[in-house]
Amino acid sequence: AQTVTQSQPEMSVQEAETVTLSCTYDTSENNYYLFWYKQPPSRQMILVIRQEAYKQQNATENRFSVNFQKAAKSFSLKISDSQLGDTAMYFCAFSINSNFGNEKLTFGTGTRLTIIP
Amino acid sequence: DAGVTQSPTHLIKTRGQQVTLRCSPKSGHDTVSWYQQALGQGPQFIFQYYEEEERQRGNFPDRFSGHQFPNYSSELNVNALLLGDSALYLCASSLDRGLFNYGYTFGSGTRLTVV
Repeated sequence: AQTVTQSQPEMSVQEAETVTLSCTYDTSENNYYLFWYKQPPSRQMILVIRQEAYKQQNATENRFSVNFQKAAKSFSLKISDSQLGDTAMYFCAFSINSNFGNEKLTFGTGTRLTIIP
Repeated sequence: DAGVTQSPTHLIKTRGQQVTLRCSPKSGHDTVSWYQQALGQGPQFIFQYYEEEERQRGNFPDRFSGHQFPNYSSELNVNALLLGDSALYLCASSLDRGLFNYGYTFGSGTRLTVV
């Protein structure tokens, strides 16, 4: 079974600053995906960024980037030039990559991020 | 292009009752997954439907059942409601193409309160 751990229940940062959210995971699988999802007050889960485990290069999406350390089973999210709209719950998630197609997601408990004006 | 639509948005039920939640997937998607998100927690996988059959199931009792229709829409049924079933129920749709994970689109959920 896979587990995902987010050890920072809450974080806050001043607007325009950089913030890093931490995530560790445990799995015996070698081929998998890792995700960061954002859940604003609207409740809809929105994909922020995705990393394939077989890719050594860290994924980036505009102001969002990850630090993927496969051996350490660590997957942190860095948000640069933070904006008020980044205020939300952030969830780290894991899924196996298999012939099955879209495998289930295993989520962490989330980090509540507040951007201060 | 409509995203994932869930109904109702909020629901209050009495302990012991039965409830049905509905989900219409994003246009072009053929797979529907259901998640339960208790307050202050991350979502927990309930089950996934593909080609009108349950394909994967999480660690949930048989009181939780589902259905997928030929148009890919889905229902989640919960029988004999318990207070602990109070949660946000999220539906996620995806396109199944084997090895290629095109990712999930989530709805805004149904907030179920059991009293």
